[in-house]
Amino acid sequence: EIVLTQSPATLSLSPGDRATLSCRASQSVSNYLAWYQQKPGQAPRLLIYDSSNRATGIPARFSGSGSGTDFTLTIGSLEPEDFAVYYCQQRSNWPITFGQGTRLEIK
Amino acid sequence: EVQLVESGGGLVQSGGSLRLSCAASGFNFSSYWLSWVRQAPGKGLEWVANIHQDGSEKYYVDSVEGRFTISRDNAKNSLYLQMNSLRAEDTAVYYCGTVGWGGYVGLWGQGSLVTVSS
Repeated sequence: EIVLTQSPATLSLSPGDRATLSCRASQSVSNYLAWYQQKPGQAPRLLIYDSSNRATGIPARFSGSGSGTDFTLTIGSLEPEDFAVYYCQQRSNWPITFGQGTRLEIK
Repeated sequence: EVQLVESGGGLVQSGGSLRLSCAASGFNFSSYWLSWVRQAPGKGLEWVANIHQDGSEKYYVDSVEGRFTISRDNAKNSLYLQMNSLRAEDTAVYYCGTVGWGGYVGLWGQGSLVTVSS
């Protein structure tokens, strides 16, 4: 099973700041990695797929990069609605697995 | 409206059974792989099972293999998860979803809470 480790566990920033979230895989997943955003009481929402492709309707301030074992989600300038929990997910091998999440909170 | 709506969750005793349903509308249901993903209270996400467009392929995470069965009825635009021999650790919100781009959930339901009491 591929283990995804996200860091940091919690990130405290202010609106307008730039956010950088990391996801490291226990073995290569090529570029088969996605990022989701989840707000309290809601289902997750797909932001980025295959490492760097924005899903439909996702603002341009969200960007993804990386390949192999190291991946990054960058939020260019934080809006109030961006404070949430973010998960990475790989589809390279079954079972499909998620990281444990990074909580992005308002400083 | 494009949506998925889960139903069938509730409280069940350990060792019991429950069947979740997921009703789809607003899109071509039979064109998609479908999935169940769960989230224990206050925890992260766990992918539970996948099913092919025609039901011919199914995949399960090890922790539910042999106890859970995923199925679909394309004529009714519905997805199901039959859960048997339930354990306390199966307590979670269960989300149904469409699988696109080879393995990502693009459309999610609102979730259905399953609570297993010991």
